[in-house]
Amino acid sequence: NFMLTQPHSVSESPGKTVTISCTRSSGSIASNYVQWYQQRPGSAPTTVIYEDNQRPSGVPDRFSGSIDSSSNSASLTISGLKTEDEADYYCQSYDSSRWVFGGGTKLTVL
Amino acid sequence: EVQLVESGGGLVKPGGSLRLSCAASGFTFSSYSMNWVRQAPGKGLEWVSSISSSSSYIYYADSVKGRFTISRDNAKNSLYLQMNSLRAEDTAVYYCARAPAGSWGDVWGQGTTVTVSS
Repeated sequence: NFMLTQPHSVSESPGKTVTISCTRSSGSIASNYVQWYQQRPGSAPTTVIYEDNQRPSGVPDRFSGSIDSSSNSASLTISGLKTEDEADYYCQSYDSSRWVFGGGTKLTVL
Repeated sequence: EVQLVESGGGLVKPGGSLRLSCAASGFTFSSYSMNWVRQAPGKGLEWVSSISSSSSYIYYADSVKGRFTISRDNAKNSLYLQMNSLRAEDTAVYYCARAPAGSWGDVWGQGTTVTVSS
């Protein structure tokens, strides 16, 4: 079993770019796809990135995902930050038929 | 419109039981694996259980194994979670999620709240 570790919080100004990391504790990050979910307060999660770097229809191209085998981590990058991007973001992968979530990162846009 | 609607949450005493339901609409329910994910107050997301499209494959988190049972009725487009021997630490919002490739969720319900307290 592995764990996914995310920073507890990040903050950035509107219009800027922010990157949220997700580090896998054991095994290769490339072994299983990584997804990213956005959760605004009081709402259900929604998918912003699936299969490492794919965007669902309706998600703006300001959102992008990548993986880095050298650091064994995945990253979510949001460019041109908007106040509406303020939310919790969770990475998620898959292990032996179980979903594994990171602890979540609170993004503050100020 | 693709939609998932959970119901059945509520207040229950420790040791009690509850059955959650998830009604699916707008897609061919029988073609998709489904999952339950929960979120304790102020905490992150925790995967609970998954069931394949034909109920052939079922998996549980260690934290609920032996107490919770996932099931589905494809004729009724519905997913269920039977929760027995409930504990205070089961208090959470429970979400159902559609899993197009089994390994992630593309559509989530709005959640139903379960509170376990005496």
